[in-house]
Amino acid sequence: DVKVTQSSRYLVKRTGEKVFLECVQDMDHENMFWYRQDPGLGLRLIYFSYDVKMKEKGDIPEGYSVSREKKERFSLILESASTNQTSMYLCASSLPSGGNDTDTQYFGPGTRLTVL
Amino acid sequence: AQSVTQLGSHVSVSEGALVLLRCNYSSSVPPYLFWYVQYPNQGLQLLLKYTSAATLVKGINGFEAEFKKSETSFHLTKPSAHMSDAAEYFCAVSEDSNYQLIWGAGTKLIIKP
Repeated sequence: DVKVTQSSRYLVKRTGEKVFLECVQDMDHENMFWYRQDPGLGLRLIYFSYDVKMKEKGDIPEGYSVSREKKERFSLILESASTNQTSMYLCASSLPSGGNDTDTQYFGPGTRLTVL
Repeated sequence: AQSVTQLGSHVSVSEGALVLLRCNYSSSVPPYLFWYVQYPNQGLQLLLKYTSAATLVKGINGFEAEFKKSETSFHLTKPSAHMSDAAEYFCAVSEDSNYQLIWGAGTKLIIKP
């Protein structure tokens, strides 16, 4: 079974703090994704990465950055946290094209971040 | 570019009744279509995936979905709802040109005793 883990289930930070959210997958997936989930807005893609050191902006990258130094790890960074970044953050991974598992995203349990 | 519409942000059914959650995609037939389920305070879990092998796709927990090209739909059904089915359900489609999935806004399924 694919396992995607996230460093924290719940996190409380103060406005202006630098925040690191870590995601690790154990299935050698090339693609990794960071989403935020807010009530009524569904999942919105922040950033994704299709290879080590590669990253692409998603729909809402402002206020966020990412790092992928190793294949299994994808970090989301909030350079200066703000209250409007209070949300549920979900990490996912997938294989690239080819095979029955193509494009199937596997999710971690999520990190509920509160910025005070 | 694709878009996905899920009709109804909340759907309420009685325990034992039919569950029908609606999903429509916007344009050309996407390579893959998905249904995911999210239980409270958890990540998303794959329910089922359409890969063009068969129009009726069976998933976990007794759910199935039927791909209808003429209606651009991929509705999710379950013959008899159980209290444990209470969750949020997301429909998604893949894009031809990249690795991303296009997500619907989600439908929260409420089961009445």
